[in-house]
Amino acid sequence: QSALTQPASVSGSPGQSITISCTGTSSDVGGYNYVSWYQQHPGKAPKLMIYDVSNRPSGVSNRFSGSKSDNTASLTISGLQAEDEADYYCSSYTTSSTPHVVFGGGTKLTVL
Amino acid sequence: EVQLVESGGGLVQPGGSLRLSCEASGFNFINYGMNWVRQAPGKGLEWVAHISSSSSSIYYADSVKGRFTISRDNAKNSLYLQMNSLKAEDTAVYYCARGTCGGGSCYSSWGQGTLVTVSS
Repeated sequence: QSALTQPASVSGSPGQSITISCTGTSSDVGGYNYVSWYQQHPGKAPKLMIYDVSNRPSGVSNRFSGSKSDNTASLTISGLQAEDEADYYCSSYTTSSTPHVVFGGGTKLTVL
Repeated sequence: EVQLVESGGGLVQPGGSLRLSCEASGFNFINYGMNWVRQAPGKGLEWVAHISSSSSSIYYADSVKGRFTISRDNAKNSLYLQMNSLKAEDTAVYYCARGTCGGGSCYSSWGQGTLVTVSS
């Protein structure tokens, strides 16, 4: 059950846009439109930001958007704000062994 | 308001056992699949186990298969994780999470987590 691949860190200045990638295989990211993204601040539980590749839950800012191409999903945050500084995790439904969810290793976003 | 409250974490010796509980409120618990997700100190998220709404489908991560048992009591709006033969690498914050979205593949609600420390 290998984790999805994310960059360890990304950074950007306030007001800029950044994109975090999440690479999997045809058994997970590429095979299903069930990619999610979570934001986690230190000491807090994760918060769902994007589900089913590109959908935002109620209450999540429209500065957050998601997309997918082949085996790679992406999270884009536009108009970076200081409070966006956090860890971000992607996840995908997978059937590589038993049906379940696999997470990416996480990306630390630093707002400069 | 959806609430998930975990309990039962603590310090346990290698080879020991622990039972985690998660009490749900604010939604119709019987309608949702539930999951345990853990996070080792300073590490990423790891899915641990899933149980369907009626307990008819249960899945485990390879890392815990044969040692952990997930269960639920819909009458008590509660989710459980029985952890046996604990190892140092099981040390983590354990979250219960409500599964929603396609295939129950996203976790729209999380508890605050309970810390399990396996050490002698």
